[in-house]
Amino acid sequence: QSALTQPASVSGSPGQSVTISCTGTSSDVGAFKSVSWYQQHPGKAPKLILFDVTSRPPGVSNRFSGSKSGNTASLTISDLEADDEADYHCTSFTRSTTRVFGGGTKVTVL
Amino acid sequence: EVQLLESGGGLIQPGESLRLSCAASGFTFANFDMSWVRQAPGKGLEWVSTINGGGTKTYYSDSVKGRFTISRDNSRKTLYLQMNSLTAEDTAIYFCANAGFSAPQYSFGFVVDNWGQGTLVTVSS
Repeated sequence: QSALTQPASVSGSPGQSVTISCTGTSSDVGAFKSVSWYQQHPGKAPKLILFDVTSRPPGVSNRFSGSKSGNTASLTISDLEADDEADYHCTSFTRSTTRVFGGGTKVTVL
Repeated sequence: EVQLLESGGGLIQPGESLRLSCAASGFTFANFDMSWVRQAPGKGLEWVSTINGGGTKTYYSDSVKGRFTISRDNSRKTLYLQMNSLTAEDTAIYFCANAGFSAPQYSFGFVVDNWGQGTLVTVSS
């Protein structure tokens, strides 16, 4: 049950786009549609922003988009805003009937 | 409004046991898988355990298997996590969530994914 691999940090200026990768294996990210992304502000509970790779829950901005290629999923935040500064976590279901998270990525808005 | 309220955390010595509770309201508790996810200080999220709506199927991460037991009381709308043989590596904020496990969960066509605010467990001598 190795954690998915995410970059520790990414940064961008307001209005720019940033992309966060989430690399797993053929036993998790590569095998299932059930890849989700969470946004977490300091001291707060995680908030679901994408599920099933590309789907957004109601109320989540369409500036958040997702994709997957092989064993790597990606989250893109377009038109970066100050409130996007947070930690972002990816997660996938696995062939072992478990769930695995990435190490988290801190997004800094410059 | 969906609410998940964890309790039972605290400071505990290595080797001891602790039981966490998560009181749910605002949704049909028995219809949803429930999970525990933890977050060590300054670290990422770690999935701990999931139980299905009926309480008949349970799943655990390798790091807690054999030490932790997840259970639920649907009549009380409460989720539990019994934690035994605790070590310093179990120090974390423990969140309960009705997040999807193998697939998203839905209510009236909308995805369901709610988390409590967490309860802090500190294992230290």
